[in-house]
Amino acid sequence: QKEVEQNSGPLSVPEGAIASLNCTYSDRGSQSFFWYRQYSGKSPELIMFIYSNGDKEDGRFTAQLNKASQYVSLLIRDSQPSDSATYLCAVTGRLAFGKGNQVVVIP
Amino acid sequence: GAVVSQHPSWVICKSGTSVKIECRSLDFQATTMFWYRQFPKQSLMLMATSNEGSKATYEQGVEKDKFLINHASLTLSTLTVTSAHPEDSSFYICSARWQSSTDTQYFGPGTRLTVL
Repeated sequence: QKEVEQNSGPLSVPEGAIASLNCTYSDRGSQSFFWYRQYSGKSPELIMFIYSNGDKEDGRFTAQLNKASQYVSLLIRDSQPSDSATYLCAVTGRLAFGKGNQVVVIP
Repeated sequence: GAVVSQHPSWVICKSGTSVKIECRSLDFQATTMFWYRQFPKQSLMLMATSNEGSKATYEQGVEKDKFLINHASLTLSTLTVTSAHPEDSSFYICSARWQSSTDTQYFGPGTRLTVL
């Protein structure tokens, strides 16, 4: 089993809608979880990290962590064309990355 | 947020030459830095973990004699691609771990290597 899995294919959302991304992880002992955004041809940039069960909000982004079910999700509210990118889920330690979810926001 | 720089941002070299890439944490000390490689439309691939003052730990399948890593100080790690070949052409990205309760990693802007 891979350490971090992001199984959804490319996600297309209309401008202004909510984009929802999910990620599962295998190591139950993982403590911190991160969401990075990567634009094409650029390096990843940190959007949010979360380490407590529940929700964490930062502007239009909300991260949700459920350690019992071993998943972490990212919601992007009021999606904008500038949100079009690949979103990477990562778990602390060696910072294992999922393959990422490509999000395309359609104007 | 924390800043990590990489130099150069891009480099073109001839096959058989060596290329050195620098990764610096500008406003924090990083005992651990990581080197990644990313081919077009593919995932980030961890190459090695660089620890200050000790030998790097390489991922399976990464040749340590070809990709030399030196982490001589708490703010600088270097990756040298020795005897580069066209198949080494890729986007090389470093990250530095800020030791805290969350161990957040910050990425450098990446170095695009093209080997002719």
